[in-house]
Amino acid sequence: NAGVTQTPKFQVLKTGQSMTLQCAQDMNHEYMSWYRQDPGMGLRLIHYSVGAGITDQGEVPNGYNVSRSTTEDFPLRLLSAAPSQTSVYFCASSPATGLANYGYTFGSGTRLTVV
Amino acid sequence: QKEVEQDPGPLSVPEGAIVSLNCTYSNSAFQYFMWYRQYSRKGPELLMYTYSSGNKEDGRFTAQVDKSSKYISLFIRDSQPSDSATYLCAWGPEAGKSTFGDGTTLTVKP
Repeated sequence: NAGVTQTPKFQVLKTGQSMTLQCAQDMNHEYMSWYRQDPGMGLRLIHYSVGAGITDQGEVPNGYNVSRSTTEDFPLRLLSAAPSQTSVYFCASSPATGLANYGYTFGSGTRLTVV
Repeated sequence: QKEVEQDPGPLSVPEGAIVSLNCTYSNSAFQYFMWYRQYSRKGPELLMYTYSSGNKEDGRFTAQVDKSSKYISLFIRDSQPSDSATYLCAWGPEAGKSTFGDGTTLTVKP
């Protein structure tokens, strides 16, 4: 199993450009989330989804959009990139039932630099 | 005040030492607690999860929750150089919305 796959692994954007970070999981997990990780600030939740067609905002949603048309895919869109969005982005998924539903499987991350 | 505060580290220990990693939390509604391990330039991986108070053991790792003092700990026995990583505590009252501590970086020296 591939688990959670994120693409691209690295990206450099110019201020004002838009792009989509891709995330796909093959574990049939209902829940998917996007986090950003900055030095000294841990993981902060951007957006999350509890199922296809359902999304909600996390702690730091401004400047980002998401949609969930299928169980497998949860893309993150940067609308107009800003240097403050330079970060490492992680996608994560978890099943909806059982104690394991509180534990994530993470992707390997996308390192984004906005210049 | 952050909902989860983690001892900042960094922490450096000799091989074979017992390591204690600690977090405090502020919300008494928290029930599920997790520990993740993150190697450099990799995604976090779930190490252990516990529910409510008590201990949970898995090999050299023991997770402990003390709800009366809102304190969670991860103990690593017989630490190995391969344990060198950043350890993140987290709580998850609702699937899809875990809150993480800032992480403690551990180095185990041979």
